[in-house]
This record gives sequence, C-alpha cells and structure tokens, in this order.
Amino acid sequence: QQPVQSPQAVILREGEDAVINCSSSKALYSVHWYRQKHGEAPVFLMILLKGGEQKGHEKISASFNEKKQQSSLYLTASQLSYSGTYFCGTEWAGGGADGLTFGKGTHLIIQP
Amino acid sequence: DGGITQSPKYLFRKEGQNVTLSCEQNLNHDAMYWYRQDPGQGLRLIYYSQIVNDFQKGDIAEGYSVSREKKESFPLTVTSAQKNPTAFYLCASSIPLGGSTGELFFGEGSRLTVL
Repeated sequence: QQPVQSPQAVILREGEDAVINCSSSKALYSVHWYRQKHGEAPVFLMILLKGGEQKGHEKISASFNEKKQQSSLYLTASQLSYSGTYFCGTEWAGGGADGLTFGKGTHLIIQP
Repeated sequence: DGGITQSPKYLFRKEGQNVTLSCEQNLNHDAMYWYRQDPGQGLRLIYYSQIVNDFQKGDIAEGYSVSREKKESFPLTVTSAQKNPTAFYLCASSIPLGGSTGELFFGEGSRLTVL
C-alpha cells in the first residue's frame, strides 16, 4: 500500500513557501524524503523516525505526526534548485530494514 | 569516490529475451535494493538483500530474479516472464539504522526499452 502524497503538482514563484504531505493507512515506523530531478537518481533529504523530533536543515524541514500517520515536508523561501519531484518513502511499524514503500511523488516547479 | 555503479545506462531488448542489469557498490553496505520506476507511479520495490547469499521479494518481484554472491554486487535479471519490462530501474544500497532501512544511496539508473 503506497502512501498518498498531496498535492500531485505545485507551481511556485521563487521565494514562496511550499508544503508537501504524505499519509499512510498503516502504522508507520519511519518516513523518508527524497528529491529527484528529471533523468537523475533520487537524492536523500531526511529521515524521521517514530518518536523522533522534527528534522530540518536550512530552508527544508519536515514533521512526522505518528498519531495521524502523516508527514509534511516544508520548503521555505523556495529556490530554483528546489524544482524536481519529491517522494516520501515509508516503513511500517515492525517491518524491519526491508526497503521503503514510496508514494507517487509531488512535482514541484519553481519559476523565477 | 564511493558509490553505486549501474550498467548499462540504456538497454534495448526484444520481446522474449532475458536481460541482466548490473549493480556494483563500493560503500561496504550490507543491504541492497532494486526499484522500478514508471511515470507517475513512484518507485516500486522489486527485490532486496540484507546480507550476502540472501534476498527477499519486494512488491513486484514477478518476472525478475536476482543473486547476491558478493557483498558488492546485486545483479537483476529481467526475464521474458515480465510482461511490461520497459521502465527505469534503480539500484540502491544502505546501512540499516535502528530498525530502519536508513538512507538509500542510489545508482544513476538503467533505462530498459523493449522493442
């Protein structure tokens, strides 16, 4: 069961903020966030573990609501380099280190 | 530099042929993974291996096979039984962290097209 990401796509002007959501119908142990540019491999952004605190660096941060099985990725004062497709990857509670289940992605386009 | 090398980058196959995609890593990671990516579908797990000589099916293993004879290598064979093999294939590795898969390090991918 893939996690559900929203929105599917978003277009912003440079400097605007964006929020990307990821929700699961199953109890989660962790949520991972990746960004992929066209034709390239996904690049790791951050991991949020159950019981852990909100993560972030510079203008990209994320939260994990364990009760609602949801995570949100926050992009503040977006830059042109933030354009790409963002994926959340999830692990179920008790699943072990057996790979991530990814959402279908959110396409982010940043315009000058 | 440490990393994951996938080859070939592009591959064309005729229907009914088996093809093998190579994945080599020099990161000394125990765990390795194969994902398939189709437009609008995200990444879907084909097979994974947490240790040498052991591997497990992922969500879409039918029509694929793997081996893990060496820590550094995790080749994927796309067999003729895979009905729709045209896709972008990504290999990844990780060091499991506290019960989690941990950060995935991806190769640059192999794009397979069936003619």
